[in-house]
Amino acid sequence: SQQGEEDPQALSIQEGENATMNCSYKTSINNLQWYRQNSGRGLVHLILIRSNEREKHSGRLRVTLDTSKKSSSLLITASRAADTASYFCATFTGGGNKLTFGTGTQLKVEL
Amino acid sequence: DTGVSQDPRHKITKRGQNVTFRCDPISEHNRLYWYRQTLGQGPEFLTYFQNEAQLEKSRLLSDRFSAERPKGSFSTLEIQRTEQGDSAMYLCASTSVSDTQYFGPGTRLTVL
Repeated sequence: SQQGEEDPQALSIQEGENATMNCSYKTSINNLQWYRQNSGRGLVHLILIRSNEREKHSGRLRVTLDTSKKSSSLLITASRAADTASYFCATFTGGGNKLTFGTGTQLKVEL
Repeated sequence: DTGVSQDPRHKITKRGQNVTFRCDPISEHNRLYWYRQTLGQGPEFLTYFQNEAQLEKSRLLSDRFSAERPKGSFSTLEIQRTEQGDSAMYLCASTSVSDTQYFGPGTRLTVL
């Protein structure tokens, strides 16, 4: 079953704008990860944030984590057409040794 | 290419047939995972191996599904007596000591 929901389900922006996606989850976690998936292909790991971290940066990506609200957000700054993809958050609880994915946000960046 | 590979990339089969998929993980990775993804959804966990031992199976993995990793290297996922509801993308991932999982390109199964 899915761990939680992502919001929005779909997002369309212009190149150069920022894109923000939100993820909510249900159980306590060890870490939360964000993955990107281009249409019909495998997933690519973007960034991992541990439960004791509140914010993390990697290039144009900024991730925040609020464990009290069981939510995370992914910000992509200065978006490019190549950022067009589906973005998934996934939680790792440790005990199960598996990732539990959200439902994903489809991002479209238009020229 | 030293990433995770999966074979075949696409499989079309008729209902009732058996299919087998193969996953070759990154060579030094001892943990291997199978996930299933249907259209518009995130991947869902199926099963997990540490070396050759299958340590966890999802309730999604019915009796028609079996997975093996005989020598702790490549893995196979077999679906017997396929049903139309088995149509999905089957994803394999591997990792070592990190919690980050590295995914293969997936096998897209279509059951007619």
